[in-house]
Amino acid sequence: LAKTTQPISMDSYEGQEVNITCSHNNIATNDYITWYQQFPSQGPRFIIQGYKTKVTNEVASLFIPADRKSSTLSLPRVSLSDTAVYYCLVGDRTSGTYKYIFGTGTRLKVLA
Amino acid sequence: EAQVTQNPRYLITVTGKKLTVTCSQNMNHEYMSWYRQDPGLGLRQIYYSMNVEVTDKGDVPEGYKVSRKEKRNFPLILESPSPNQTSLYFCATSWAGGDIQYFGAGTRLSVL
Repeated sequence: LAKTTQPISMDSYEGQEVNITCSHNNIATNDYITWYQQFPSQGPRFIIQGYKTKVTNEVASLFIPADRKSSTLSLPRVSLSDTAVYYCLVGDRTSGTYKYIFGTGTRLKVLA
Repeated sequence: EAQVTQNPRYLITVTGKKLTVTCSQNMNHEYMSWYRQDPGLGLRQIYYSMNVEVTDKGDVPEGYKVSRKEKRNFPLILESPSPNQTSLYFCATSWAGGDIQYFGAGTRLSVL
């Protein structure tokens, strides 16, 4: 089961680009990488998903190197409302199960 | 509107008194899952279900039961709650076990 490792916390200022890196050394061939955002007292919310190279949507970009052992979530020009916990998720499909390990996430604090 | 509905949102109970937390979804998703979230431990999967009558253990199933008699409902049952089950619980759903999961608003449980 692929385990993920992220920094516990990060601080940034409004208007800056924020990059959060996730390590997933045991990622399997069929696994996708999915990122979630969670505000206090709310359920996590899907941000972006990718398999390799780069994916971009209206909220974020996701960079995945060729070996897929890590991924980087990029949030352009953050605002105070981006203060949240960000989780990197790698599913386990190779064993035929659908167990998920979210890890402890990265607490991003955006400062004015 | 796509929804994952958990009830109750808040619950205070005493040790040993059986309780059920309900989860209902209107998206016709095959996959449903329960997580608990504790400070410093992130989201941990309790049980999941790939479809009606198909359930399996996640990472922390001890002390919990689930059932999936209908596609839209996936209740979490605590037969004899203990204080170490005090936590914030989330239900989540997705298409066919996919990594893009939709979360409910959460149930905050306190066992005294």
